[in-house]
Amino acid sequence: QQQVKQSPQSLIVQKGGISIINCAYENTAFDYFPWYQQFPGKGPALLIAIRPDVSEKKEGRFTISFNKSAKQFSLHIMDSQPGDSATYFCAASRSGETSGSRLTFGEGTQLTVNP
Amino acid sequence: DSGVTQTPKHLITATGQRVTLRCSPRSGDLSVYWYQQSLDQGLQFLIQYYNGEERAKGNILERFSAQQFPDLHSELNLSSLELGDSALYFCASSWGTGNYGYTFGSGTRLTVV
Repeated sequence: QQQVKQSPQSLIVQKGGISIINCAYENTAFDYFPWYQQFPGKGPALLIAIRPDVSEKKEGRFTISFNKSAKQFSLHIMDSQPGDSATYFCAASRSGETSGSRLTFGEGTQLTVNP
Repeated sequence: DSGVTQTPKHLITATGQRVTLRCSPRSGDLSVYWYQQSLDQGLQFLIQYYNGEERAKGNILERFSAQQFPDLHSELNLSSLELGDSALYFCASSWGTGNYGYTFGSGTRLTVV
């Protein structure tokens, strides 16, 4: 019940296109859903995050769509650029004194944006 | 530079040995987290410390241990190393212990030969 499933495993888009990465979770106690971007040789960097009280959050070219009833959320990258080529991870966490704030990560999506 | 410092960046050691990975959190952050990233297991939470105390524990092996010192830096100790322990080990930090965005370091790449 702690798993987060991410798809696709890899994604190739053309410059200017829309990149869409999907995640699904089982644990309804999760209440924080961040997306991380990781470049080779670097640690994951927080990109954008959402809480289940909203259905969408937009920051620049990055948008999270959240469907609480379906237990799914997705990352949309508009006007994708070659510099966006990286591995993207969705994650989920739940609040609580005893749980700390561990993140459960999806498997990752390798995004390649062709010029 | 994320502000989270991990040393060393690379470590090559033999099976059965013991190593220590070090992490200095971002200034002002009280929580330190350790994650293991491997090809087959992805990013896995190991353990969290908050202001010197263990706060949450994940799938951390008994051969692994960690601590957070009064100056808030943390060390992850890996002993009786096996080939399967080869992975990237990331440290992350955050101000509190609730659901905040983490800041990750650049990791330590451990290779066990």
